[in-house]
Amino acid sequence: GDSVTQMEGPVTLSEEAFLTINCTYTATGYPSLFWYVQYPGEGLQLLLKATKADDKGSNKGFEATYRKETTSFHLEKGSVQVSDSAVYFCALTQTTGNQFYFGTGTSLTVIP
Amino acid sequence: DGGITQSPKYLFRKEGQNVTLSCEQNLNHDAMYWYRQDPGQGLRLIYYSQIVNDFQKGDIAEGYSVSREKKESFPLTVTSAQKNPTAFYLCASSPRRWEGYTFGSGTRLTVV
Repeated sequence: GDSVTQMEGPVTLSEEAFLTINCTYTATGYPSLFWYVQYPGEGLQLLLKATKADDKGSNKGFEATYRKETTSFHLEKGSVQVSDSAVYFCALTQTTGNQFYFGTGTSLTVIP
Repeated sequence: DGGITQSPKYLFRKEGQNVTLSCEQNLNHDAMYWYRQDPGQGLRLIYYSQIVNDFQKGDIAEGYSVSREKKESFPLTVTSAQKNPTAFYLCASSPRRWEGYTFGSGTRLTVV
């Protein structure tokens, strides 16, 4: 069945460091891929998405490219800020069926 | 502004008691979902509804019940049959699943 695997955390970076959070998926066909962010005590917010191969989703300095050949959707940011400290979830869904598959989340802490 | 409202933010339940978590959306989304979040386990689907008066069990429906009498509302009841209900509960909605979810801010339920 479909699934998402993301790198385990926690990840701790210094401010202005480069961020990569790895996400790989298993799915048939061409799923849509997402990154969500969760700040402490809050719900999840959609950060970015990509719906077809080679699409690049971007928002707030974060980027992720839908790589069909490596079944990956890694999240990157060139220079993290303290305010980026949160838990990040990779997810996928298909146009058919009823499921939305989430990874287990990666906690990021950015220190000044 | 359109969005999803979950209430209450914090809820305490005594042993053997049923409690109901509220979820209301004004986004005109057809589909609504309930997820449970436990530390280190990501999100698990409890119930979902794609149209009014219809709902389906997710992966962990035992001990929970829902109703969908109005498009805007999808309340979740945690019954006394749920033996370990302490968790963070998230409600979400979507116009079409491949466009992603909009989440509420969550309800933290604690058994006392």
